[in-house]
Amino acid sequence: AQSVAQPEDQVNVAEGNPLTVKCTYSVSGNPYLFWYVQYPNRGLQFLLKYITGDNLVKGSYGFEAEFNKSQTSFHLKKPSALVSDSALYFCAVRSLSGNTGKLIFGQGTTLQVKP
Amino acid sequence: GAVVSQHPSRVICKSGTSVKIECRSLDFQATTMFWYRQFPKQSLMLMATSNEGSKATYEQGVEKDKFLINHASLTLSTLTVTSAHPEDSSFYICSARSWEIKQGQYSSYNEQFFGPGTRLTVL
Repeated sequence: AQSVAQPEDQVNVAEGNPLTVKCTYSVSGNPYLFWYVQYPNRGLQFLLKYITGDNLVKGSYGFEAEFNKSQTSFHLKKPSALVSDSALYFCAVRSLSGNTGKLIFGQGTTLQVKP
Repeated sequence: GAVVSQHPSRVICKSGTSVKIECRSLDFQATTMFWYRQFPKQSLMLMATSNEGSKATYEQGVEKDKFLINHASLTLSTLTVTSAHPEDSSFYICSARSWEIKQGQYSSYNEQFFGPGTRLTVL
């Protein structure tokens, strides 16, 4: 069965410090991985995706993620956090069943950046 | 580009009434749209997958007669919550997926674009 896990319910960092939001996955075959961000009472905004190629993927708003096949991880990172980065972050993997592009989401991680 | 809108953004209704939520892709054609439900501080629960011109595919445990989905065009899908009850109160989010042509072939690797969500409160 395919699954995504975000082991941390909340991550707290100080503004200007680097941040990491963790994600691990379990799929058979090559994974298609995504990161989304959600601000309060809003839909999800796409940050970045890994399909193939370079393991380090750069996305929107200065975020990047590193695909690690041996550790089955796809952690989200940013070198210097901003208070405005505070939001709910979701990691997702594309389901391999069917061809609809259905996504399987992790449980979400709340990022709190303090000034 | 790739903007998805939802209407209404917020709706309050009486128990027993039906509510229709619209999801539109504004600047692209969406062959597939998805409907999610989200409870406070929780992840998204996929309710159904909607393909233009065909019946929606519902996830296990989702009542198809209660949550009616119509995807009549490549830019519009609707979710109707029939005979709504307080337990149906939730945040409903739609997403749309487009096809992008790469190297002369359709690509199914592209991301979903999400609407802003609809907050439904049933009294």
